Amino acid sequence: SQQGEEDPQALSIQEGENATMNCSYKTSINNLQWYRQNSGRGLVHLILIRSNEREKHSGRLRVTLDTSKKSSSLLITASRAADTASYFCATDAGGTSYGKLTFGQGTILTVHP
Amino acid sequence: KAGVTQTPRYLIKTRGQQVTLSCSPISGHRSVSWYQQTPGQGLQFLFEYFSETQRNKGNFPGRFSGRQFSNSRSEMNVSTLELGDSALYLCASSFTYNEQFFGPGTRLTVL
Repeated sequence: SQQGEEDPQALSIQEGENATMNCSYKTSINNLQWYRQNSGRGLVHLILIRSNEREKHSGRLRVTLDTSKKSSSLLITASRAADTASYFCATDAGGTSYGKLTFGQGTILTVHP
Repeated sequence: KAGVTQTPRYLIKTRGQQVTLSCSPISGHRSVSWYQQTPGQGLQFLFEYFSETQRNKGNFPGRFSGRQFSNSRSEMNVSTLELGDSALYLCASSFTYNEQFFGPGTRLTVL
């Protein structure tokens, strides 16, 4: 079963606009990671945020984490057509959950040129 | 560094057969995790290996098994294939409790 929910399930925007995706999870975590997947291919790691961090930036990406609400958001600024993909959040519970990431259902982002 | 590689990339099998998938992690990574991705169930964790030992296992039947070799390469095996085993199988490697880096996946179709 999936750890949590991502919303929206699908997002359609124009190039240059910002895209925001949200993720909620159910149990306590060690870290939360965001991945991108193009057309059923492998997952590309985007960013990792640890449970004691609140915000993290990487290029055009900004991730926030609110452990009290068990939620995270991914903001992609100035979107490009090449950002069109599915985006997944994944939680790592740490401890004895070795190597196990629990994924959300993903957000399908379409960026129109 | 070379990324995670998986072979084969595509596979077609018939019900009842068995299949073995291979994964070579990033050099220096000792942890390898396997995931199954289907449209209905999404991405689900199968198992994780570290230094040739299975440390964690997901909720899959015993038909799904794996192993890891001394060079950290890993294989997973699915016996007595069912139609529902059709999926994209992804492996990922990591150095410690950090990012997992995924391979391109093996797309398995069971007819």
